[in-house]
Amino acid sequence: GAGVSQSPRYKVAKRGQDVALRCDPISGHVSLFWYQQALGQGPEFLTYFQNEAQLDKSGLPSDRFFAERPEGSVSTLKIQRTQQEDSAVYLCASSSGQGARYLYGYTFGSGTRLTVV
Amino acid sequence: AQTVTQSQPEMSVQEAETVTLSCTYDTSENNYYLFWYKQPPSRQMILVIRQEAYKQQNATENRFSVNFQKAAKSFSLKISDSQLGDTAMYFCAFTGKNTDKLIFGTGTRLQVFP
Repeated sequence: GAGVSQSPRYKVAKRGQDVALRCDPISGHVSLFWYQQALGQGPEFLTYFQNEAQLDKSGLPSDRFFAERPEGSVSTLKIQRTQQEDSAVYLCASSSGQGARYLYGYTFGSGTRLTVV
Repeated sequence: AQTVTQSQPEMSVQEAETVTLSCTYDTSENNYYLFWYKQPPSRQMILVIRQEAYKQQNATENRFSVNFQKAAKSFSLKISDSQLGDTAMYFCAFTGKNTDKLIFGTGTRLQVFP
């Protein structure tokens, strides 16, 4: 596609519910990142994929957070047993490679706003 | 660990005037990249300008320019001839050869008044 697509745009979950957030990167982009942006804060790194390999998951806040990218394209971020502190915007970004990130930055989606009630 | 600090939570400027947003960072790397991103209410991060640390010349993109002071680890953004459409959150970000991810500051909310 022309850009990074994320769905749903908004998600309201009851505390304890499981949620799945989807990211469709730009076609051919090998690198994919997930960020969490709390209200009034800058995005914070969650995890990074190169193709289907999850190379860095150091930012995932707990074992309730899980991300996958089984075929090296679409990625899903899953949050189990959601809690109120999980309320945030979840941003996905992709790039065609390390060199491209340095030259062009990252292409971001518009995010999913998750509200846990 | 790398950190990025934006000390101005909010700034305002009148249309057509110039405004400067501040950013400082900390890193032990010598080869790295700095970015300014704009985030309008649509939430999508839009790249405004980038700077390579090994280039001494300050980057410029139309009305946007940076003042990159490597020794001071400072990377400020100057917006000239401000327009109403510049109203947004602005984030300073860092990435390095040893840091695949982008590290963001906390952002500056810029309001341009007519």
